[in-house]
Amino acid sequence: KQEVTQIPAALSVPEGENLVLNCSFTDSAIYNLQWFRQDPGKGLTSLLLIQSSQREQTSGRLNASLDKSSGRSTLYIAASQPGDSATYLCAVNNNDMRFGAGTRLTVKP
Amino acid sequence: GAGVSQTPSNKVTEKGKYVELRCDPISGHTALYWYRQSLGQGPEFLIYFQGTGAADDSGLPNDRFFAVRPEGSVSTLKIQRTERGDSAVYLCASSFQGAGETQYFGPGTRLLVL
Repeated sequence: KQEVTQIPAALSVPEGENLVLNCSFTDSAIYNLQWFRQDPGKGLTSLLLIQSSQREQTSGRLNASLDKSSGRSTLYIAASQPGDSATYLCAVNNNDMRFGAGTRLTVKP
Repeated sequence: GAGVSQTPSNKVTEKGKYVELRCDPISGHTALYWYRQSLGQGPEFLIYFQGTGAADDSGLPNDRFFAVRPEGSVSTLKIQRTERGDSAVYLCASSFQGAGETQYFGPGTRLLVL
């Protein structure tokens, strides 16, 4: 059974810092990996999707990498802003989607 | 519609009652997913529909949980004899064709069983 782990569980940084969120998974036979953002009391917003054949995807200040063989992905956020404060979820897709517990990010002004 | 919608947004019920949660996927999306999210946890897969049929229902926790999608669009998640442990946010998502694609999530239904 696929297990997804996210480290750290919570992170607090001052505005402007660059930061890295980590995701690891146990079964490398995946279709893709997706990073989501979830604001309190809201649904999930897809940030980046990396297909199993890809190594990274970029969108604005976000960059996600995938190392399928080692079962790892990172989400890099450049020049963090208070509006980035949210919970970030990693999900791996091999027939059904398995989520990590998330990293709760707070960016202080 | 423009996005996935779910109704009701909140539902409070008493232990033992029956509840129905509704999901309207993005128009034209053939794949629909239900998840359950407990406080402080990531969403947990429940069931996946491809068209009208349940392609994978391995995540349903027991036979009190059932879901339908009779016309391949709107889906209803049904919970019988609710228990306090069923309290969670129930999320619905849809994708254009199925596995391997970006899933678009609704805002969820927050269920509280007293």
